[in-house]
Amino acid sequence: DTEVTQTPKHLVMGMTNKKSLKCEQHMGHRAMYWYKQKAKKPPELMFVYSYEKLSINESVPSRFSPECPNSSLLNLHLHALQPEDSALYLCASSQLATGSTDTQYFGPGTRLTVL
Amino acid sequence: KQEVTQIPAALSVPEGENLVLNCSFTDSAIYNLQWFRQDPGKGLTSLLLIQSSQREQTSGRLNASLDKSSGRSTLYIAASQPGDSATYLCSAGAGSYQLTFGKGTKLSVIP
Repeated sequence: DTEVTQTPKHLVMGMTNKKSLKCEQHMGHRAMYWYKQKAKKPPELMFVYSYEKLSINESVPSRFSPECPNSSLLNLHLHALQPEDSALYLCASSQLATGSTDTQYFGPGTRLTVL
Repeated sequence: KQEVTQIPAALSVPEGENLVLNCSFTDSAIYNLQWFRQDPGKGLTSLLLIQSSQREQTSGRLNASLDKSSGRSTLYIAASQPGDSATYLCSAGAGSYQLTFGKGTKLSVIP
């Protein structure tokens, strides 16, 4: 199983809503990532979890709150978002082999629209 | 700060043609260079990963090369097919996690 799954596929929310994005992988990968991708732009790294601990936070606003409940799951909690946060949110995972950089496997993404 | 540039931004070719996509990066201290494919509104599919110690990787009709000294990578697609139409992204890997992406080349293969 070389698949990263993400739910929901689409999400529309108001600026006062609280919602969560979910990501799951069963490849035994120990690194998981959240990326944000605006239209016609490359993905931008938001967060990295390594062994279920937050390793990298790329100065992301606090209205985005990541959570890694276990080695297979990664959540992104959303609260008080702005319309400019509308984007495709991508989750990825990698094996975290030592001494090299791994292939990152991406999920299909969640298309988020903030009204 | 690493910068990755992809040329051309868009490319249209007739079916069956061989083609080359270009990627350049400013900092040669990379761990790897990875090529992805992205279909509209979809996630990224990894095509080829070249470690910094390697010169090229091949998978089917795809061949990717890496020249760290010149800061360049190319993705060669042989005998292009309409199903190859997508945006192709290259990324330079620094460290265990950091990928810096180019803006991509949008490829259209015309039947």
